[in-house]
Amino acid sequence: SQTIHQWPATLVQPVGSPLSLECTVEGTSNPNLYWYRQAAGRGLQLLFYSVGIGQISSEVPQNLSASRPQDRQFILSSKKLLLSDSGFYLCAWGQGASYNEQFFGPGTRLTVL
Amino acid sequence: KQEVTQIPAALSVPEGENLVLNCSFTDSAIYNLQWFRQDPGKGLTSLLLIQSSQREQTSGRLNASLDKSSGRSTLYIAASQPGDSATYLCAALLGAGSYQLTFGKGTKLSVIP
Repeated sequence: SQTIHQWPATLVQPVGSPLSLECTVEGTSNPNLYWYRQAAGRGLQLLFYSVGIGQISSEVPQNLSASRPQDRQFILSSKKLLLSDSGFYLCAWGQGASYNEQFFGPGTRLTVL
Repeated sequence: KQEVTQIPAALSVPEGENLVLNCSFTDSAIYNLQWFRQDPGKGLTSLLLIQSSQREQTSGRLNASLDKSSGRSTLYIAASQPGDSATYLCAALLGAGSYQLTFGKGTKLSVIP
């Protein structure tokens, strides 16, 4: 069966510090991978998605970047965090066509102080 | 731009009651609609996926319907239990080539024992 992992589970970082969040998927190959952010009072927002190694698409301009160094690894990064980067970050995966079901990880709670 | 609305934002029902959660979307050209459950501080659990060619999907006590012409989807929960208490989110995918799910802000369900 497929499993998706995210770490860390929680993170508190000062403004201006760098960020690296990691997501890995087990039990599948060549998945589509997604990064979402859920901010208080707002719906989930798609940040990035990837259909293959080294292929990253960004949905919104922001202070963040994503990378996919391996087939089942997806990383969300920032060089300098802003207060507005606080939120709940969720990684998801899907198989095959974009209209197939998406499955979400446990999330990372990021607080920027 | 696709917008997804879930009303009410919160719902409280006694245990054993059947209930319906509503989801409306502005663009009828959706490709699929997915219902999720989110427990506090946790990731999303996929409940049901309805493709645009389908009218409904069932899983256990859950039944989701899709009416593209009216821009509505409903999630029916039969014989509600306290363990059903969670936030329920719907998300629409616009277009076969799109990777972006547009989420509603969710309905927070409380089932009172």
